[in-house]
Amino acid sequence: RKEVEQDPGPFNVPEGATVAFNCTYSNSASQSFFWYRQDCRKEPKLLMSVYSSGNEDGRFTAQLNRASQYISLLIRDSKLSDSATYLCVATSGTYKYIFGTGTRLKVLA
Amino acid sequence: EAGVTQFPSHSVIEKGQTVTLRCDPISGHDNLYWYRRVMGKEIKFLLHFVKESKQDESGMPNNRFLAERTGGTYSTLKVQPAELEDSGVYFCASSPRLANEQFFGPGTRLTVL
Repeated sequence: RKEVEQDPGPFNVPEGATVAFNCTYSNSASQSFFWYRQDCRKEPKLLMSVYSSGNEDGRFTAQLNRASQYISLLIRDSKLSDSATYLCVATSGTYKYIFGTGTRLKVLA
Repeated sequence: EAGVTQFPSHSVIEKGQTVTLRCDPISGHDNLYWYRRVMGKEIKFLLHFVKESKQDESGMPNNRFLAERTGGTYSTLKVQPAELEDSGVYFCASSPRLANEQFFGPGTRLTVL
């Protein structure tokens, strides 16, 4: 079983749609959680950190459920430019990133 | 502010040759990390430096890989001798402190023929 699991997709959604991704992690000692965005053949770029209280940044909302060991990302009002692979990250300890394989999103005009 | 830079962007070598990858972290970031993504797999941790000291090299695949960070600035990752399974994208990341978000470089795409 992978330490961080994501549905690889692809998720094909129309512009303006709301889309949600979930991710589960196996290490209950993980301390920090992140969502990164990766465009084709580019580096991962931080989208947002994830906190138990939930956090929102514009059209993006992230949530952490420690009891169930899952992390979610909600994207509202999808834009064409949101098309990318979204990487879920949990840390092993304080700094070692454990990546999921990523979820591909394609927003269609 | 300049981001993390890596050189070269691509490298194609033959099995048995040596390759050295370089990473320049964001200025002032004491923490430097190397990761690797092989085809079809997730990005995996290789090792972590704090300044010039290796803190954790638990992800290094074997002793053909050698990482250094002399002077605590840029880092190099040498693969010697390279094998076919070493092909992949090698990412470097840096952060100012532990538990901070990590900022990734553009990666070096290594192909071993």
